[in-house]
Amino acid sequence: FILTQPHSVSESPGKTVTISCTRSSGRIASSYVQWYQQRPGRSPTAVIYEDDLRPSRVPDRFSGSIDSSSNSASLTISGLKTEDEADYYCQSYDGSFGVFGGGTKLTVL
Amino acid sequence: QVQLVESGGGVVQPGRSLRLSCAASGFTFTNYGMHWVRQAPGKGLEWVADISFDGSDENYSDSVKGRFTISRDNSKNTLDLQMNSLRVEDTAVYYCAKSSIKSGYDYWGQGTLVTVSS
Repeated sequence: FILTQPHSVSESPGKTVTISCTRSSGRIASSYVQWYQQRPGRSPTAVIYEDDLRPSRVPDRFSGSIDSSSNSASLTISGLKTEDEADYYCQSYDGSFGVFGGGTKLTVL
Repeated sequence: QVQLVESGGGVVQPGRSLRLSCAASGFTFTNYGMHWVRQAPGKGLEWVADISFDGSDENYSDSVKGRFTISRDNSKNTLDLQMNSLRVEDTAVYYCAKSSIKSGYDYWGQGTLVTVSS
């Protein structure tokens, strides 16, 4: 299966943005979805794991969810800050194989 | 603190081989599966391969199967990726990543750049 993300999104500081990740086949709920943030020139870091859990170091402005009706996962960032500007990748599993979405460039302007 | 430090990248001609290494510290290496993930210049992340905590199970993406081999030395806390028959499309930053005890990859190295070019 493939995971499809929008190529880019933009929003103003203080606003809320949602990034989608649609699974092409199989149920979105069949494997956990993770989200990674990658700032320019940096390694990825996890911001959401197991669909909707947040690592302790990640602010609660970040939240994740899945929607079985649209077979998709979503990452929502509220109270946008300029430091949130980055590429975001969803990731799941096809059996033991890792699968990444194509990534979404978030611009905070 | 957890550290993953990759090494071994460089410029190599198509068809040649290269071996990447990842030195792990700050956690009990023998307890976790490990992964290689790559990122071509200006492109997204691509999972490459993984290996179980004890090295008994390996998985590869279709794009590298039969050419790359992942291995680990639990006595030295190191993860390797032997890359043979390299192609121009293998050009990428290669990251090693640690399996989370939950799901996903909770720590990543800084990456090492592999350039395949004649």
